[in-house]
Amino acid sequence: AQTVTQSQPEMSVQEAETVTLSCTYDTSESDYYLFWYKQPPSRQMILVIRQEAYKQQNATENRFSVNFQKAAKSFSLKISDSQLGDAAMYFCAYRGLIQGAQKLVFGQGTRLTINP
Amino acid sequence: ETGVTQTPRHLVMGMTNKKSLKCEQHLGHNAMYWYKQSAKKPLELMFVYSLEERVENNSVPSRFSPECPNSSHLFLHLHTLQPEDSALYLCASRSNLWGGSRETQYFGPGTRLLVL
Repeated sequence: AQTVTQSQPEMSVQEAETVTLSCTYDTSESDYYLFWYKQPPSRQMILVIRQEAYKQQNATENRFSVNFQKAAKSFSLKISDSQLGDAAMYFCAYRGLIQGAQKLVFGQGTRLTINP
Repeated sequence: ETGVTQTPRHLVMGMTNKKSLKCEQHLGHNAMYWYKQSAKKPLELMFVYSLEERVENNSVPSRFSPECPNSSHLFLHLHTLQPEDSALYLCASRSNLWGGSRETQYFGPGTRLLVL
């Protein structure tokens, strides 16, 4: 079974607008971490934001914020005031116990296009 | 720059060649990882070195051989590869020490490998 699911293969948004990328995950653990990584055409995987599952408060990093719904196992990323440099593949990732070992598991990614 | 470097950035090799990928981290981390990123697939964890303990993904073929001589350097030795091994190979590192970023992996820029 897929641990991390990103149901939107591609998204596009007008520059300066707001976009939300979806992510759901499957776990029976209560203690884990969630991440959003950005991979621009240069291929460098860059951490955007992280969330500890034990924290109820949604993480924010400047224009990036998450909507963490633990009961629903949902972890969406909101990008406000979209900029051309935000164009990239975005990967949602889960770090926690999987089959007895701590692992980082990625979703299949969402390609975000910014329209000028 | 994330503090993780990889060389070479691009590599073309024949199926009978032997080559090595190199990863170096300048972050003082003590856990390092190799991932494979193929088109249309989520990132696949290949190998983990954590405090000199090696963890393997049992599905990785033996034609891939990792080496971690110290906590700052990680190699992936390649021999008799197949065309389906063509992919982006990403290195990542993480700190095992307790702290705010303990669960976060930082990625290198990757090596784009083409096997002919």
